[in-house]
Amino acid sequence: QSALTQPASVSGSPGQSITISCTGTNSDVGGYNYVSWYQQHPGKAPKLMIYDVTDRPSGVSNRFSGSKSGNTASLTISGLQAEDEADYYCRSYTTSSTWVFGGGTKLTVL
Amino acid sequence: EVQLVESGGGLVQPGGSLRLSCAASGLTFSSYSMNWVRQAPGKGLEWVSHISSRGSTIYYADSVKGRFTISRDNAKNSLYLQMNSLRAEDTAVYYCARGWSLHYCDYWGQGTLVTVSS
Repeated sequence: QSALTQPASVSGSPGQSITISCTGTNSDVGGYNYVSWYQQHPGKAPKLMIYDVTDRPSGVSNRFSGSKSGNTASLTISGLQAEDEADYYCRSYTTSSTWVFGGGTKLTVL
Repeated sequence: EVQLVESGGGLVQPGGSLRLSCAASGLTFSSYSMNWVRQAPGKGLEWVSHISSRGSTIYYADSVKGRFTISRDNAKNSLYLQMNSLRAEDTAVYYCARGWSLHYCDYWGQGTLVTVSS
């Protein structure tokens, strides 16, 4: 149950777009379209931002989008805003009937 | 409005036990799978355990298998995590989260802190 691989940090200026990658294996990210993304502000509970690779829950800004190619999923945030500064985690179902999170990415809005 | 409220955290000595609870409201609790997810201080999220809506299917992370037991009482709209043989590395904020089948966790509680230390 190794954690999915995410960059430790990314940054961007307001209005720009950034992409966070999440790399796994054929046994998790590549094997299922059950990748979800979570936003977590300091001291707060995680919030679901993207599910099933590309779908957005009601109430989440359309500036957030997801995609997947092979064993790598990606979260893109366009039109960066100061409130987007947070930690982001990907999560995937696995062939072992377990779930695995990425190590997390700290997004800094410059 | 869906609300999940965890309780039962605290300070426990290594080797000790603790039982966490998660009280659910604003949802038909018996229709949903539930999960426990933890986060060590300054670290990332770690999935801990999953239980199906009726409690018939249960999964655990390798790190807690054999030590932790997940359960639920649908009549009381409550989820539980019995934690035995606790280790320092179990120190974390424990979140309960509503699951949507295998897909994702859409509602999360605010968490309860478990500290394992002598």
